[in-house]
Amino acid sequence: ETGVTQSPTHLIKTRGQQVTLRCSSQSGHNTVSWYQQALGQGPQFIFQYYREEENGRGNFPPRFSGLQFPNYSSELNVNALELDDSALYLCASSGGGYTGELFFGEGSRLTVL
Amino acid sequence: RKEVEQDPGPFNVPEGATVAFNCTYSNSASQSFFWYRQDCRKEPKLLMSVYSSGNEDGRFTAQLNRASQYISLLIRDSKLSDSATYLCAPRGGGFKTIFGAGTRLFVKA
Repeated sequence: ETGVTQSPTHLIKTRGQQVTLRCSSQSGHNTVSWYQQALGQGPQFIFQYYREEENGRGNFPPRFSGLQFPNYSSELNVNALELDDSALYLCASSGGGYTGELFFGEGSRLTVL
Repeated sequence: RKEVEQDPGPFNVPEGATVAFNCTYSNSASQSFFWYRQDCRKEPKLLMSVYSSGNEDGRFTAQLNRASQYISLLIRDSKLSDSATYLCAPRGGGFKTIFGAGTRLFVKA
């Protein structure tokens, strides 16, 4: 497959809690992007990390934050969970540069009760 | 206006039919364009890349019109296995890839 792995695959949280989602990028890829996909919608861009620096952010509040590590793996943290945060969270890695095809992990499905 | 707009669908077509999907994008700085396929409750997977005016891969043809900021995807001789959601994804400034809401295709026997 793509070589991008995400964990956990499914999780249930309650409103107000915090969650950390993890992503290991494909070998050789230095760019990781995170997307939120609600049911019936397209993936919405949250942010992107290139060589440990955030280099792009979508229209998401500051309670969505992230990190990229020296091995290019990444975390997405969401604080103060709201019901509307229930979605599939997708991590995608790419080699950067001009072409920019994204290789997605299978996603983490978050349910907020 | 959304950055990327696609035909909402769903498209219901018989096997063997030809079907075309349209996509418009608002960011004129977009340089690369992609079509991804997403099966139900799965992750998107790259179907085609478009860097110049178009690309063809077997039964699939993508065309790009930069002046009109329009991309299309044509599927010929539809198969049952083509049933999926097709996502249009331009890659623009800052190397961000933005996705449309997707067009659902159902191919019937």
